[in-house]
Amino acid sequence: KQEVTQIPAALSVPEGENLVLNCSFTDSAIYNLQWFRQDPGKGLTSLLLIQSSQREQTSGRLNASLDKSSGRSTLYIAASQPGDSATYLCAVSGGSYIPTFGRGTSLIVHP
Amino acid sequence: NAGVTQTPKFRILKIGQSMTLQCAQDMNHNYMYWYRQDPGMGLKLIYYSVGAGITDKGEVPNGYNVSRSTTEDFPLRLELAAPSQTSVYFCASSISGNTIYFGEGSWLTVV
Repeated sequence: KQEVTQIPAALSVPEGENLVLNCSFTDSAIYNLQWFRQDPGKGLTSLLLIQSSQREQTSGRLNASLDKSSGRSTLYIAASQPGDSATYLCAVSGGSYIPTFGRGTSLIVHP
Repeated sequence: NAGVTQTPKFRILKIGQSMTLQCAQDMNHNYMYWYRQDPGMGLKLIYYSVGAGITDKGEVPNGYNVSRSTTEDFPLRLELAAPSQTSVYFCASSISGNTIYFGEGSWLTVV
């Protein structure tokens, strides 16, 4: 059974810092990995999707990397802003396309 | 483009009552999912569907039922509500192996 772990569970940083969120998974036979953002009281919004054949994806200040062999992904946020405050979740899908989610990292960026 | 629409947004049920959470998507996605999210616990898969007429159990299906008579709709039925079903419920959809789109969530309290 796939298990997804996210470290740290919570993070508080001052505005402007570059930061890294970590996601690890136990079964490397994945189809893709997705990073999501969840604001309080809202649904999840997809940020980046990395296929198993890819090593990284970038969108604006966000960069996600994937090391399938070691079962790890990182989400890099450059020049963090208060508007980045949210919970970030990663989800891993296998050949059945059914995602397994981590518990998320709660991020606070303070001015 | 409405995306994934869930109703109701909030509901209070008494123990033993039944209700249906509605979910509809207008993106012609074949995959649809129901998750529940409890505080600090990530998302747990309840049921999923890979197309009209096909449904399958996820990790926590007990106490729930689903149907998928059309591509667009994927209602979740709660029978004989119990306090353990107090949670936030999310419906999501995707095309096989691609970006997953979530609804805004349904907050359910069983008293």
